[in-house]
Amino acid sequence: AQKVTQAQTEISVVEKEDVTLDCVYETRDTTYYLFWYKQPPSGELVFLIRRNSFDEQNEISGRYSWNFQKSTSSFNFTITASQVVDSAVYFCALSEGTGRRALTFGSGTRLQVQP
Amino acid sequence: DTAVSQTPKYLVTQMGNDKSIKCEQNLGHDTMYWYKQDSKKFLKIMFSYNNKELIINETVPNRFSPKSPDKAHLNLHINSLELGDSAVYFCASSQGLGRVNTEAFFGQGTRLTVV
Repeated sequence: AQKVTQAQTEISVVEKEDVTLDCVYETRDTTYYLFWYKQPPSGELVFLIRRNSFDEQNEISGRYSWNFQKSTSSFNFTITASQVVDSAVYFCALSEGTGRRALTFGSGTRLQVQP
Repeated sequence: DTAVSQTPKYLVTQMGNDKSIKCEQNLGHDTMYWYKQDSKKFLKIMFSYNNKELIINETVPNRFSPKSPDKAHLNLHINSLELGDSAVYFCASSQGLGRVNTEAFFGQGTRLTVV
């Protein structure tokens, strides 16, 4: 069975601070996909990144970066120089490699960025 | 153009009523989903359809019945609504590329309140 754990329920930072959101996953599949989604206060779910299990390269997109480590089953997300607009709930999710494509979500981390 | 659209955005109804939520995607995706987000923000898969065929049916009460008239539409009908059905329901779609699971795009959500 798959499981995604986001141990940080809520994080509060001051603008311009760097913040890392942790994600630990469990799966028996050798092929799987990891995702991050953002849910701002308006409620929609916004896709941020997809990573497959064979690609352990870290990725950077502007102020966002992701660190995928299979050895520790982690897929952490760092926001550099946080801004108030980054305030949202962030979800890490996992899907199997084939067939069942549905996402198993973590419980989310609420990030509050104070001005 | 909205990629995944669901109607209505808000739905307030009395216990025992029957209601439907409609979802349409214009992305040409072959797979559509219904997810439920509870009051604690936890997201869980309910149903998944691939090319109009039901492929995932989680342990959801049979009062919930999805219907996919074509690849672009996935509706959710709920009979005999109960207080515990109050939640935000998200429709989503994704495209399988061979063995690759691509990201899911979500609708804006339907907030269902049963009184």
